[in-house]
Formats: sequence, structure tokens, C-alpha cells
Amino acid sequence: GAVVSQHPSWVICKSGTSVKIECRSLDFQATTMFWYRQFPKQSLMLMATSNEGSKATYEQGVEKDKFLINHASLTLSTLTVTSAHPEDSSFYICSARQRDYEQYFGPGTRLTVT
Amino acid sequence: GQNIDQPTEMTATEGAIVQINCTYQTSGFNGLFWYQQHAGEAPTFLSYNVLDGLEEKGRFSSFLSRSKGYSYLLLKELQMKDSASYLCASVDSNYQLIWGAGTKLIIKP
Repeated sequence: GAVVSQHPSWVICKSGTSVKIECRSLDFQATTMFWYRQFPKQSLMLMATSNEGSKATYEQGVEKDKFLINHASLTLSTLTVTSAHPEDSSFYICSARQRDYEQYFGPGTRLTVT
Repeated sequence: GQNIDQPTEMTATEGAIVQINCTYQTSGFNGLFWYQQHAGEAPTFLSYNVLDGLEEKGRFSSFLSRSKGYSYLLLKELQMKDSASYLCASVDSNYQLIWGAGTKLIIKP
């Protein structure tokens, strides 16, 4: 149980375009989902916390107009990187929380912006 | 404030034992996680400690001392596949995770 999927696994896009990444909890309802970004050889950086049916809470320094998060249902959250630039190239990982503290991670999405 | 410290890198020999330490300062502490992350992959859950003491799970054990703000992950009978980054993360009063930078463990034959 407690499986989280992400789609796509990897994506290459041109600078200036937008990319949508989906995060799904497959066998449980996730009231809270988290979006992380990880640059090579660095730790996870929390971007935002997403609660179903409400606006996401963004961490300091993360542009909410650039990284659009929608938590439309208890099993789906999406992250849209708008007007992507090469510096947005990174590994994006979502996690879903089932109870108070347990987080289950998706497999990650590798974004490359050319 | 919130702070997590763990060594940047450690090296150990196949078949040996290694201990990865993690110290934390977390307000409203609600436990500590250890995750394993192989290069290019998402983290996978190893352990969660909220009470003092040692929890053993196969070759991996995790220890917590709340009074000292200290935890360690003990890996026994090291295998080459254990080469990975090991992340500790504390849980704060809002049940948010505070992440350490990770310890890269290199296993040599």
C-alpha cells in the first residue's frame, strides 16, 4: 500500500514553454501533498505544501506564479512550471501524507529545459 | 531555530558496519525519519523513531535520544548496493519535515 506515482518520469522542453507534472496517490487519500526540488548532489528542497481544496503554501523564495500547484482531489496534485528556463532544470519529487507524519514519495520527474 | 546536521560523506568497506549520525534542533519535535536515496531516484523510507532507543530492522537500525537531539542510522554487513545518500529528517510541531543535507555513503570492496 501507500504508492505514489508521478507523470511524466522525465521531460525535455524548450525555454519559455510550460510543463505540467502530475502526482497521484494510488491506494490512499492524501489530504496533504508536498512538492520538492532537488538539484544534483544537493538535498531535497521543499517548494510548497498542498492541501486538497485550498491554495498551496509556498516556501520562501519559491515563485507561486511560476510554479502553479493545484490539488484538485484527495488523490491528485499537479505542479505546472510556467515559462520554464534552463535554471529550472531539476529533479522534482512529490510526496503524499496519509496520516499525521508519514510521507510517501513519488519516483520523481526529471525536467530538462533547453 | 530549526537545524539538522549530518556528515557530508562517509566511506566504509563491504561487509563492515557504519554509523551515520544526525543531530537536530527542532521545535515541537515529533520524531525523526531516515531515508535512503540512490542517485537519480526518489528517497525511500528506512525508519521512523519518536521514542528514545534503538529500533532494529534487518541490517539497518536507527537510534534516537530526544534529550540529546541525536539520532544515528547503523548499517551492518554492508553491501555494495548500500552506496547511496542517507537523509535524516525531523518532524516539527506542524508535522512538517525538516531535512538534513544528506550523507553520501561510499562502499568500497
